[in-house]
Amino acid sequence: AQSVTQPDIHITVSEGASLELRCNYSYGATPYLFWYVQSPGQGLQLLLKYFSGDTLVQGIKGFEAEFKRSQSSFNLRKPSVHWSDAAEYFCAVGSNTGNQFYFGTGTSLTVIP
Amino acid sequence: GAGVSQSPSNKVTEKGKDVELRCDPISGHTALYWYRQSLGQGLEFLIYFQGNSAPDKSGLPSDRFSAERTGGSVSTLTIQRTQQEDSAVYLCASSPRVSSGLYNEQFFGPGTRLTVL
Repeated sequence: AQSVTQPDIHITVSEGASLELRCNYSYGATPYLFWYVQSPGQGLQLLLKYFSGDTLVQGIKGFEAEFKRSQSSFNLRKPSVHWSDAAEYFCAVGSNTGNQFYFGTGTSLTVIP
Repeated sequence: GAGVSQSPSNKVTEKGKDVELRCDPISGHTALYWYRQSLGQGLEFLIYFQGNSAPDKSGLPSDRFSAERTGGSVSTLTIQRTQQEDSAVYLCASSPRVSSGLYNEQFFGPGTRLTVL
């Protein structure tokens, strides 16, 4: 069965520090992978997506993610975190039929000055 | 252009009452999804509409939940005889038509926070 695991429920980083949020997926075929961010009181916003090709994808707000098939991972990274990055981050895998998305339980990011 | 809108933004109801939640997708988007987000949980898929095809209802948790999409646009999620465990944020998302071999992102609305007392 398809699933997404985000092992870290909550992460705290200092402003300016680097960030890596982990995501592992289980999917039988080539996955379509996404990272979304949800700020308080807001809907989810797409940060980046991977469909095929280059395994390192760039997204908005300075985020990037790397697809590693051998590790079934799609970790999100940012070299220098800003206070405005504090939010909930969701990893998701989509089916190739387009009618199902599987979301992880999210990682809450706190940024301290 | 306008994004996905949902109404109401907040709904407080009493146990046993019926509620209707509305979603206005982005114009021209043929796919529409409903999700439930409970405290501390990820997004739980509820139902999916794609064009004129029969909806995928596989995620609806019970027969108290139903949804319809009129004219391929606006969607309403109805919860009958609400229970306290139905309290959650209900999110709607729309997406352009999915083409073979391609995939489109979902655009999410701000959600409706449902509280069942």
